[in-house]
Amino acid sequence: DIQMTQSPSSLSASVGDRVTITCRASQSISSYLNWYQQKPGKAPKLLIYAASSLHSGVPSRFSGSGSGTDFTLTISSLQPEDFATYYCQQSYSSPPMYTFGQGTKLEIK
Amino acid sequence: EVQLVQSGAEVKKPGESLKISCKGSGYSFTSYWIGWVRQMPGKGLEWMGIIYPGDSDTRYSPSFQGQVTISADKSISTAYLQWSSLKASDTAMYYCARRGLYNWNYYYMDVWGKGTTVTVSS
Repeated sequence: DIQMTQSPSSLSASVGDRVTITCRASQSISSYLNWYQQKPGKAPKLLIYAASSLHSGVPSRFSGSGSGTDFTLTISSLQPEDFATYYCQQSYSSPPMYTFGQGTKLEIK
Repeated sequence: EVQLVQSGAEVKKPGESLKISCKGSGYSFTSYWIGWVRQMPGKGLEWMGIIYPGDSDTRYSPSFQGQVTISADKSISTAYLQWSSLKASDTAMYYCARRGLYNWNYYYMDVWGKGTTVTVSS
């Protein structure tokens, strides 16, 4: 199984800050990496797919990069609505077993 | 509008059976895989398995193989997740999600249901 490890597990930041979240895979997954945002009591929402492609409707302050085993999600200027938990997910496995990272909770400082 | 509508919250006793549903609309239900994801209270997302409603091809995470059954009825555009004998540890939120495709082989979960809360308590 491919394990996904995110860091940090939690993060405090202020509106306007630039924030980076890291995700590491236990083996190379090329660019088969997705990022999701989840707010309390809500379903996850897709932000980034294929490591760096922005999903439709997602603000351009979100960006993703990386390939192989190391990936990052960057929020260029935090907005109040961005405080949430973020998950990475690999979609490399076949048959499909698309494991998630443990999540990064982004809180207001 | 593309959407997945999940069945309502359930409260069950240990040992009881349960089947929850996920109905797709606004797209060709038989052309997209549907995945199931568990989220235990206060915890992260766990991949359970996935089904292709077109032919009911189903793949399970090893952690959930034998613990749940995933099925689909394409005639009514609905996928299911079922348990034959619930345990307290099955208490969680369960999400279904559609697998989207980019550039032939990049997959992601692009449409999510709102989730079904399952509570198992004596």
